[in-house]
Amino acid sequence: GAVVSQHPSRVICKSGTSVKIECRSLDFQATTMFWYRQFPKKSLMLMATSNEGSKATYEQGVEKDKFLINHASLTLSTLTVTSAHPEDSSFYICSAREWGGPYEQYFGPGTRLTVT
Amino acid sequence: DAKTTQPTSMDCAEGRAANLPCNHSTISGNEYVYWYRQIHSQGPQYIIHGLKNNETNEMASLIITEDRKSSTLILPHATLRDTAVYYCIVRAPLPGGATNKLIFGTGTLLAVQP
Repeated sequence: GAVVSQHPSRVICKSGTSVKIECRSLDFQATTMFWYRQFPKKSLMLMATSNEGSKATYEQGVEKDKFLINHASLTLSTLTVTSAHPEDSSFYICSAREWGGPYEQYFGPGTRLTVT
Repeated sequence: DAKTTQPTSMDCAEGRAANLPCNHSTISGNEYVYWYRQIHSQGPQYIIHGLKNNETNEMASLIITEDRKSSTLILPHATLRDTAVYYCIVRAPLPGGATNKLIFGTGTLLAVQP
């Protein structure tokens, strides 16, 4: 199946700083990517839909100024957690579907963010 | 998208078939049934999907009832590495081939026992 990568896999940052997480589709082009977050022992919660060349669509309750999403190319979407606080500590996961391909989506391995 | 209901957890003996049920009684005619699994601290992995016919691939089989109100994912010979949370999701395609979002429920924690 198609491969989605994320970088970094783990990051620890201090409260008040910003952190950027990259999501790449390695062997396919993706016009749409999705960002999820997952707290311990909980399910994945969709944060936003990232469309190449346009503004992201955020789910209700997700602050767009706090979680900045940029989808600059067909293979790269970034999520920046701005002014991070300890409650932003979570597992962030992206997913993508190949443009024009089958309907299944492929997920990245996730990024573990810890804010101290 | 229709809601799904899955048991919270299940056990299965290694080497035996694991049958994971999912209820989706409010499914619409154009909604597909998808199954993903998530091994601890990893991203979800696509398993299989179907609309109304039963489907099989190298990982699993998907049995959808005739009225489409429920389905069963079958792992024919479970191994310890199949221990994971299994998510059943129903989703309709968007017009023009666009990608619709996947909304995850709580899933079933399958524990394969040696």
